[in-house]
Amino acid sequence: SQKIEQNSEALNIQEGKTATLTCNYTNYSPAYLQWYRQDPGRGPVFLLLIRENEKEKRKERLKVTFDTTLKQSLFHITASQPADSATYLCALESKGNNDMRFGAGTRLTVKP
Amino acid sequence: GAVVSQHPSRVICKSGTSVKIECRSLDFQATTMFWYRQFPKQSLMLMATSNEGSKATYEQGVEKDKFLINHASLTLSTLTVTSAHPEDSSFYICSAAQGTEAFFGQGTRLTVV
Repeated sequence: SQKIEQNSEALNIQEGKTATLTCNYTNYSPAYLQWYRQDPGRGPVFLLLIRENEKEKRKERLKVTFDTTLKQSLFHITASQPADSATYLCALESKGNNDMRFGAGTRLTVKP
Repeated sequence: GAVVSQHPSRVICKSGTSVKIECRSLDFQATTMFWYRQFPKQSLMLMATSNEGSKATYEQGVEKDKFLINHASLTLSTLTVTSAHPEDSSFYICSAAQGTEAFFGQGTRLTVV
């Protein structure tokens, strides 16, 4: 069966450190993978998209890697800040499909 | 980025009544919109894909007669929860894609009492 697994339900780190979140998938052939941020009671907000033929993408303090052999994406937030505290979701869109499937999310807390 | 507006943000209804949730793409046209449901501390679960001018495509296990979807124009999709029951209480979110990027509404917190 198809699965999208995010490594941990919650991650607590100290301000200034790098947060690393993991997204693993099974039985998908993703055209691309996306990362979203979701704050409590709100809809997700798009952060980054990485295509199957891309290894790495960066945007300001964010970095995403995509390893289609390992079937894994890593999401990094460098120089983390308390304002980065939120739930981060990974999502896959499969080839030939136009709907997205989400992982359960990782709740990140950055402590001052 | 593009804006998707969802209304209402919160609704409380009595068991047995119907509730309509609207999803609008404000500055772009969306031939396809998606409806998700999210339980506390869980992921977004795709309920259905709403196609402008045609019938929605429902995910397995989602009752099409209970969750009525209408996508009458390129900027509006509606989800009607019919004969709502307390177990339908949840957070409902719509999204629309512009290119490869999806934009989400603010979500609707439905509470059925």
